[in-house]
Amino acid sequence: QKEVEQDPGPLSVPEGAIVSLNCTYSNSAFQYFMWYRQYSRKGPELLMYTYSSGNKEDGRFTAQVDKSSKYISLFIRDSQPSDSATYLCAPKEGSNYKLTFGKGTLLTVNP
Amino acid sequence: DTEVTQTPKHLVMGMTNKKSLKCEQHMGHRAMYWYKQKAKKPPELMFVYSYEKLSINESVPSRFSPECPNSSLLNLHLHALQPEDSALYLCASSHGQGTYSPLHFGNGTRLTVT
Repeated sequence: QKEVEQDPGPLSVPEGAIVSLNCTYSNSAFQYFMWYRQYSRKGPELLMYTYSSGNKEDGRFTAQVDKSSKYISLFIRDSQPSDSATYLCAPKEGSNYKLTFGKGTLLTVNP
Repeated sequence: DTEVTQTPKHLVMGMTNKKSLKCEQHMGHRAMYWYKQKAKKPPELMFVYSYEKLSINESVPSRFSPECPNSSLLNLHLHALQPEDSALYLCASSHGQGTYSPLHFGNGTRLTVT
């Protein structure tokens, strides 16, 4: 079993839809959970991060972590065509430099 | 624009060439990273420098040679590469080892080995 599982999609939604992106993980030592957005031919951009279980909201984006079920989610409200990108979940152990990336989900938001 | 700057943006090199990739950050970060990303794959860690010392080498072939001249600069020296080394090479930086320290990535150098 891989440490981080993420459905690569692709996922296609109409503009204005609510998007749910998810990852599961197996490493109980993960404490910090990041989401990166990567546009084509660009580097990953830090979008959201959370520590331990709970929700964090930033504008149209909500990151959710459930450590009991080892489940990470990113919700995008009122999705826009500019949200079209690959979204990568990346959990991390507290004392470790290493990020463990999911495969990434390719999202297309259609006008 | 990102706060991690990588040059060049694109590089084409032959298998006998020697070239270098450069990365610079001015965020005061003390950890710097090299990642390799193939098409439709997530980034894979290659090297980590912490306080200008090599902290992690993920069993990378010796044809890739990292260098950290100071806390703001990171180089990746390339020689005798193979066509399968063609990829997007990403540099990243973070505050340092410890509790929470997110990585900030540059936009990468797209390398083609012919």
